[in-house]
Amino acid sequence: SQQGEEDPQALSIQEGENATMNCSYKTSINNLQWYRQNSGRGLVHLILIRSNEREKHSGRLRVTLDTSKKSSSLLITASRAADTASYFCATDRYPSGGSYIPTFGRGTSLIVHP
Amino acid sequence: EAQVTQNPRYLITVTGKKLTVTCSQNMNHEYMSWYRQDPGLGLRQIYYSMNVEVTDKGDVPEGYKVSRKEKRNFPLILESPSPNQTSLYFCASSLGTGGHQPQHFGDGTRLSIL
Repeated sequence: SQQGEEDPQALSIQEGENATMNCSYKTSINNLQWYRQNSGRGLVHLILIRSNEREKHSGRLRVTLDTSKKSSSLLITASRAADTASYFCATDRYPSGGSYIPTFGRGTSLIVHP
Repeated sequence: EAQVTQNPRYLITVTGKKLTVTCSQNMNHEYMSWYRQDPGLGLRQIYYSMNVEVTDKGDVPEGYKVSRKEKRNFPLILESPSPNQTSLYFCASSLGTGGHQPQHFGDGTRLSIL
């Protein structure tokens, strides 16, 4: 079952602009992570934010979390052509009787034009 | 170099012919999992393992088997592959269980079942 959903599905911007993508989820979480996937490659972990945190930074990345709205956003500032990739949010889900299952959204495809 | 290695990277085969996709990690991680990625559906977890000899079903386990006899290896077995298992598969590992652990992904295996 889908837990996180990214929005928009696709985003096209010019180099130097900021890129914002959003993630909404359905049930309470303990942690939310963002990953990047370059074409034809595996996912790479970008940043993790815990449910008791509201904002986190890592280089040009800024992640916010609003647990009351069950949503998170990823902001990439001063984007570069090398940021072209798909971005996924992942939330933790604990089905009854089972262990933790990380649940990914469908992703946002970002294209940064030089 | 810390990495998750999958083999093969590409495979074209026919319905019913048993195949195994290997996955190995050199980070001494406890948690390993398999995902499939399909257009419009994002990543869905197939099976996961919390440690040696401990495996459990993810969201889409039908038609797949796994084993965890050693900590570093987590092969995915398709006993009788069918065309609906044509997909891009990823193996991932993390230091421990829980959504606060970032996952490390392999580069993927593209399977085509004819």
